[in-house]
Amino acid sequence: EIVLTQSPGPLSLSPGERATLSCRASQSVINNYLAWYQQKPGQAPRLLIYGASSRATGIPDRFSGSGSGTDFTLTISRLEPEDFAVYYCHQYGTSPLTFGPGTKVDIK
Amino acid sequence: QAQLVESGGGVVQPGRSLRLSCVASGFTFSAYAMHWVRQAPGKGLEWVAGISYDGINKDYADTAKGRFTISRDDSKNTLYLQMTSVRPEDTAVYYCARESPPYDTTWSSLFVWGQGTLVTVSS
Repeated sequence: EIVLTQSPGPLSLSPGERATLSCRASQSVINNYLAWYQQKPGQAPRLLIYGASSRATGIPDRFSGSGSGTDFTLTISRLEPEDFAVYYCHQYGTSPLTFGPGTKVDIK
Repeated sequence: QAQLVESGGGVVQPGRSLRLSCVASGFTFSAYAMHWVRQAPGKGLEWVAGISYDGINKDYADTAKGRFTISRDDSKNTLYLQMTSVRPEDTAVYYCARESPPYDTTWSSLFVWGQGTLVTVSS
């Protein structure tokens, strides 16, 4: 099983700041099949990024993904008030599919 | 607009069975692989099971193997999760989710999610 580790722990930032979230895999993610999701309290997750760097339909361009192999990054260029949430990475290249533990981005 | 609506959750005693359903609308259900993902209270996301668009390939997390069965009825646009021998640690919100590209032959990212149904395993 591929274990995904996310860092940093809770991230406290102000609106307008840049957020950089990391996801590290215990082994290489096949074909960079790595996605990022945003989840707000009481809501279902929302797909942001797939294939490590492709934005899903309707996702603002302030969200970007990068990385390959075992190290991946989600960057939010300028935080908007609606971006404060929990972010999960997810690998779907190897069964069983796995999620990271999540990184909470909260308001400083 | 694609939509998924789960049902079937509730309180169930340990060792008993429960069937979850997920009704799809707004897209061609038979063209997409589907998954169940769960989230224990206050915890992160955990993939449970997936089924290919044609129903041939099914895959399970170790925690679900031998106890849960994923299936689909394309005539009813419905995804199911049959849960047997449930345990307290199965307590969670269960989401159904649709993959992104149609007719995909490998697992893909989860583009459409339902709002979830809560399963509580307790005596």
